[in-house]
Amino acid sequence: AQSVTQLDSQVPVFEEAPVELRCNYSSSVSVYLFWYVQYPNQGLQLLLKYLSGSTLVKGINGFEAEFNKSQTSFHLRKPSVHISDTAEYFCAVNYGGATNKLIFGTGTLLAVQP
Amino acid sequence: EPEVTQTPSHQVTQMGQEVILRCVPISNHLYFYWYRQILGQKVEFLVSFYNNEISEKSEIFDDQFSVERPDGSNFTLKIRSTKLEDSAMYFCASVGRSSYNEQFFGPGTRLTVL
Repeated sequence: AQSVTQLDSQVPVFEEAPVELRCNYSSSVSVYLFWYVQYPNQGLQLLLKYLSGSTLVKGINGFEAEFNKSQTSFHLRKPSVHISDTAEYFCAVNYGGATNKLIFGTGTLLAVQP
Repeated sequence: EPEVTQTPSHQVTQMGQEVILRCVPISNHLYFYWYRQILGQKVEFLVSFYNNEISEKSEIFDDQFSVERPDGSNFTLKIRSTKLEDSAMYFCASVGRSSYNEQFFGPGTRLTVL
């Protein structure tokens, strides 16, 4: 079955520290991978995406993610976080097919502390 | 920059009432979606729509739900008889032919069923 796993429901981190948010997906021949950020009471903002090509993708706000096909992972990283990065982060996968729907993970709350 | 818009931003209704949530996808996009996010939970796929018909729907999308593209610009989600458990944030998304499987999300409509 198609699934996306975000094992960490919450990640507390101090300001200026590095952070990694984990995402694993069920294996498939081809996938398109996305990270979205959701600030409180707001919609979904695309952080970055992997469609093809280089496995290291860079997004907005200094975030990057690496597609690892052998480990079926797409972990999100930032070398130095800010208070303003506090938000819910969702990993999403498009497994292709006729409709290209997105399957979302359960989300990770990144809580940046001063 | 073109964007997906949704109205209203917040809808409050009584249980058993019908509601219509409206979305205006990006012009010339061809694929349209509705997703739902119950408070504190992950984003879930409801339905996809292409060429004026439903291309896929989830188990959540039962007979109480319907979608329509009445005039070539709006894309609506109707819930015929709302239940308490329909309270959620509803997101509309659209995909263009050349946007490479990337879904553009609207800001969402928060539906509160009392």
